[in-house]
Amino acid sequence: ILNVEQSPQSLHVQEGDSTNFTCSFPSSNFYALHWYRWETAKSPEALFVMTLNGDEKKKGRISATLNTKEGYSYLYIKGSQPEDSATYLCALNTGFQKLVFGTGTRLLVSP
Amino acid sequence: EPEVTQTPSHQVTQMGQEVILRCVPISNHLYFYWYRQILGQKVEFLVSFYNNEISEKSEIFDDQFSVERPDGSNFTLKIRSTKLEDSAMYFCASRSGATSYNEQFFGPGTRLTVL
Repeated sequence: ILNVEQSPQSLHVQEGDSTNFTCSFPSSNFYALHWYRWETAKSPEALFVMTLNGDEKKKGRISATLNTKEGYSYLYIKGSQPEDSATYLCALNTGFQKLVFGTGTRLLVSP
Repeated sequence: EPEVTQTPSHQVTQMGQEVILRCVPISNHLYFYWYRQILGQKVEFLVSFYNNEISEKSEIFDDQFSVERPDGSNFTLKIRSTKLEDSAMYFCASRSGATSYNEQFFGPGTRLTVL
């Protein structure tokens, strides 16, 4: 059974703080790693698809890095804003149809 | 921007009843998926569907579950005889054939409550 883990499970920061979360996965099963942002009652929104070791991707204040050899990815948010409050999900793509999700990190940003 | 839609947003049913959850994938997408998240647990894969047939399914997807693309736009998940443990948020997803890395686009989910 593939196990994708995320930490921390939840995080509460103040507006303006920078923060980061971790997604760890079995490196032997790696094909790609997906990051999603999910706000309650909305569709999970695709943030990044990471495919190469050493990849670094950026979207506004959010960026992600990937280490396929050791099996982890970091998601960074610079200068958190209340609208960044959401659950951040990573999902491992093993090259077959399904995505294998982590537990998610719930972020709350207080004004 | 095209999006995946799901109806209803919330469904309440009695144990043993049949439910059909509906999804309208993005129009030019070819691959379709159902996932679910039981409260407090991970999002888990149920089934993938391509070219009018199931391409992969999980062990959760037993004979009580079925999927269909009845009219070329809708994609449905049927649970024949619901159990209490089927209570979950059910997500539909789709992807085009053009993306190599299986980038899936998700709907907002249907929350199913089985009483």
